Amino acid sequence: AQTVTQSQPEMSVQEAETVTLSCTYDTSESDYYLFWYKQPPSRQMILVIRQEAYKQQNATENRFSVNFQKAAKSFSLKISDSQLGDAAMYFCAYRSAETSYDKVIFGPGTSLSVIP
Amino acid sequence: GAVVSQHPSWVICKSGTSVKIECRSLDFQATTMFWYRQFPKQSLMLMATSNEGSKATYEQGVEKDKFLINHASLTLSTLTVTSAHPEDSSFYICSAPPIGPRTQYFGPGTRLLVL
Repeated sequence: AQTVTQSQPEMSVQEAETVTLSCTYDTSESDYYLFWYKQPPSRQMILVIRQEAYKQQNATENRFSVNFQKAAKSFSLKISDSQLGDAAMYFCAYRSAETSYDKVIFGPGTSLSVIP
Repeated sequence: GAVVSQHPSWVICKSGTSVKIECRSLDFQATTMFWYRQFPKQSLMLMATSNEGSKATYEQGVEKDKFLINHASLTLSTLTVTSAHPEDSSFYICSAPPIGPRTQYFGPGTRLLVL
């Protein structure tokens, strides 16, 4: 079974600075997707960034980028120029690509605080 | 982008009553929907996979007779918490992948409080 681990329950960052959230996962599959989701106080899940395992190039979305190390099964999220609105819970997630409609497995989450 | 709605967004009920939560895909069809439960300060835990036209698949440890799932159409799945107890109080979230694209969309969640 696949598992997702986030070793940082809480993180904080100064506004305008950069922060990196860690994530590791375990799987025996070769084809899968990795995600970072943001959950603000409203609790609506928001997709931040997505990475296909077959792509070597790291995904980027504006201020958000990932460092995907497939061999190490590591998938960290870097937030640049942190803003107050970035404060939220961040979940790393895994989904198999070997079936069409597979479930998403979430890590335990990292609570990010942004200090003005 | 695609939208998933949930109703109600917030429900309070007495212990022993049943509560139905609806999950709708508003602008796409979904043969599969997923139901998650999230306790305070915890992650989302998958409860079950809802399949249109067939029985739901439950995760280990989830009581199928307590959490009834019906996927009646390609746009609607319902979760019924039967004989709810205070320990069932939680935040319930559904998600749905559209046919074709590999992205999943999450509903806004339903807060359940059982007194």
